[in-house]
Formats: sequence, structure tokens, C-alpha cells
Amino acid sequence: DAKTTQPPSMDCAEGRAANLPCNHSTISGNEYVYWYRQIHSQGPQYIIHGLKNNETNEMASLIITEDRKSSTLILPHATLRDTAVYYCIVRVPEVAGGGNKLTFGTGTQLKVEL
Amino acid sequence: SQTIHQWPATLVQPVGSPLSLECTVEGTSNPNLYWYRQAAGRGLQLLFYSVGIGQISSEVPQNLSASRPQDRQFILSSKKLLLSDSGFYLCARPPRGGRNNEKLFFGSGTQLSVL
Repeated sequence: DAKTTQPPSMDCAEGRAANLPCNHSTISGNEYVYWYRQIHSQGPQYIIHGLKNNETNEMASLIITEDRKSSTLILPHATLRDTAVYYCIVRVPEVAGGGNKLTFGTGTQLKVEL
Repeated sequence: SQTIHQWPATLVQPVGSPLSLECTVEGTSNPNLYWYRQAAGRGLQLLFYSVGIGQISSEVPQNLSASRPQDRQFILSSKKLLLSDSGFYLCARPPRGGRNNEKLFFGSGTQLSVL
């Protein structure tokens, strides 16, 4: 699986957009980008994933650069409850019979403040 | 239901004692199941995964073992705990009917402190 690089921490004012970057310069053509977040003392929560097109759901937007070497997770209106560690993961979806093995790095600690 | 049951929520054990953490899932049959560990201040590390009863794959050499005695039950064990086994242990599964979906659901975790 391709390696990802994320800043260790970021701050964001409540109500503003939080833009979380991720570098994955060694990504291969069939690898997807996944984002999860983990609120303190809880299990990680899936947010969004994409291959090369930008994606949006009720939680966030994912912007993937044209060369796919980096991506940005956007929380359009951050709230205090969005304070969490955000993980960017790059991998090929597992085929049947294998395991959906996700490798988590240390992520970005996002702190949303008043 | 995509429920994952993990217990206990917290556990304090002395060094050298045995360990048994249980994870059970509802709402699906023959799911892939995963055990992750998170040491203090570090990222999540995949320990074991299982694609079916009796089928266990270990990702890292360690003092722990896993078993899948039933379709919806995944157990993490140790015969003798080490201080380095302390951490937050999480069980995970794909959505119902999903063996290939990356949207893993995680349990609420067990915080293990080995003293």
C-alpha cells in the first residue's frame, strides 16, 4: 500500500472550513484514497473515499489532485464535535477471499475551537 | 443492524496474567473480522484478521493470539501479558453483505492497562 503523509496537527475555528491535506506521491493507478476519523477513546469512523474524481457526502468533501499525488478532506463548517484524529489511507480494495486490511498511520489531530 | 459488541470496556491486568477479549457481531454472516491495537499516542496497528471460522492471519509477531470459534465471534488472547500489551483494542468488520467494502465499522474498544 502507498504511504501517506499528513501534518500531525491542525487548528480550525468553529464554523469555518477545515481543510486536511494528505500526500500520497507513490499512489498507484488502482489505489483508492480513504478517510477515517477517530474521536478520543472511540473506534474510527469512515468518512469518505475516492479514486480520482472529487467526492462529496453528508460529512465531507474529498478533493483529489489531477495527478492523484495528494488529496484534501474538507469539512465545510467545522463544529466542536469534529475535533478528532483524521486518517488518510491509500490502498487497493481487497478481492473476495482476502481481508480488507486498512493500515492506519498517526493521522492529523484536528482541534476545532470557538 | 451493524452492531459490534466488545467487552470489557476497560481492563486492568497484572504482568504475566492471561487475557481474553471477545468481539461478537450481529446482522451478518461470515464477515471478515479484524483486531486492531492503538498504543498511547500512536496510530492503529492491525494485529489479526479472519475471513472465516478457524481462519486467522497474523499481521505482526507478538505476544497475542486470536481465534474464531464461531462465525460471529472473534477472540483475542494472551497466555502471559507484557507491559507492552497495554493499549486500546478495537474489533472491526465490513458492512453487512460486504466482504470487499472498505467502510469498516469499529466496536467501542477495550482499554487494556497492564501493570
